[in-house]
Amino acid sequence: EDQVTQSPEALRLQEGESSSLNCSYTVSGLRGLFWYRQDPGKGPEFLFTLYSAGEEKEKERLKATLTKKESFLHITAPKPEDSATYLCAVQAYDKIIFGKGTRLHILP
Amino acid sequence: DGGITQSPKYLFRKEGQNVTLSCEQNLNHDAMYWYRQDPGQGLRLIYYSQIVNDFQKGDIAEGYSVSREKKESFPLTVTSAQKNPTAFYLCASSTDINYGYTFGSGTRLTVV
Repeated sequence: EDQVTQSPEALRLQEGESSSLNCSYTVSGLRGLFWYRQDPGKGPEFLFTLYSAGEEKEKERLKATLTKKESFLHITAPKPEDSATYLCAVQAYDKIIFGKGTRLHILP
Repeated sequence: DGGITQSPKYLFRKEGQNVTLSCEQNLNHDAMYWYRQDPGQGLRLIYYSQIVNDFQKGDIAEGYSVSREKKESFPLTVTSAQKNPTAFYLCASSTDINYGYTFGSGTRLTVV
């Protein structure tokens, strides 16, 4: 069964404390992996698309990486404005499957 | 600015009533989607449309209906047959799935 699992469910960090969010997947025919940021009460905002193992993408304090079975979203020296829910989604052959997200809270 | 507009932002419905959620985009995207988001769950696909006058059921289509008469518009009707309609509804569009979706700001529907 196609599945996307994100961990941890929630993460609290001090401002400046770097960490990583994990997205593991089991899908047949992976065509792409997406990361989104979602603020409370708003729609998700597109961050990255990764297509193949070994690929990396960066945006400000965020870096996404991809292996054959999982993706990591690394956040370096986070600030309170990075607090949000981060969603991972995988495009399988004919559909997109979303994970449940990781709620990230950065304490000032 | 191009984007997706969902309205209303908040909607209250009495049990037994149908209600329609609006989704309009000016991005010239061919494909449009409706998702439902519940606390602690991932986004679940309700319906999607890849072209005008054509749409397909997603994973949880029961109790919902859609239409796609114009490229820009993809309204979702939540019918009285939907047993648990209270949720956050998200509309999205894409021109090429490889570039991900553009989402609207969502409609929060509450049944009272």
